[in-house]
Amino acid sequence: GQQVMQIPQYQHVQEGEDFTTYCNSSTTLSNIQWYKQRPGGHPVFLIQLVKSGEVKKQKRLTFQFGEAKKNSSLHITATQTTDVGTYFCAVNAGGTSYGKLTFGQGTILTVHP
Amino acid sequence: EAQVTQNPRYLITVTGKKLTVTCSQNMNHEYMSWYRQDPGLGLRQIYYSMNVEVTDKGDVPEGYKVSRKEKRNFPLILESPSPNQTSLYFCASSLYPGAGETQYFGPGTRLLVL
Repeated sequence: GQQVMQIPQYQHVQEGEDFTTYCNSSTTLSNIQWYKQRPGGHPVFLIQLVKSGEVKKQKRLTFQFGEAKKNSSLHITATQTTDVGTYFCAVNAGGTSYGKLTFGQGTILTVHP
Repeated sequence: EAQVTQNPRYLITVTGKKLTVTCSQNMNHEYMSWYRQDPGLGLRQIYYSMNVEVTDKGDVPEGYKVSRKEKRNFPLILESPSPNQTSLYFCASSLYPGAGETQYFGPGTRLLVL
């Protein structure tokens, strides 16, 4: 099945510092989704990227899809304590298995005030 | 309020005792899916359903069954639970997978199999 590697596994930052998590695939992706899961909570959909080189912003969050559609990143500018949680990328399999969704292992972000 | 509900939220059972975790959505979504979450392994898809009566395997279907007899419900069945199925389970739904539509997750069911 589809495989996606997510790094780093953990990231500790001081409040106000930036944070980036990366997802990499050995195969070309049709799209990539990003989710956030707060401690003790359920995953919450953030965004989907579809186009090569696509860049989307949501306030302090910037999402990028690589030109070759094999990698993606989520960047948070000036982290806040409310950004604490685990960030996951997820990719759909292609063809007739489009409903099959594979998640990266996630990056756990802690923010020290 | 748009939501995905799961029941029970917590369950302790013993090996071999059949159980069902229910999942229901009120958004008229076509797509529903089950995931399990384990420390260090992230979220792994168990089964998904593109529509009523259409289900397919995810990455970890062994030991699980599902059915989709009506659009709003997608129960997860463990016919003979084993300790390695101790996990946190999430149900999710969206209008259509991978089309930019938000996938909504339920609150989770924490299962302990003794």
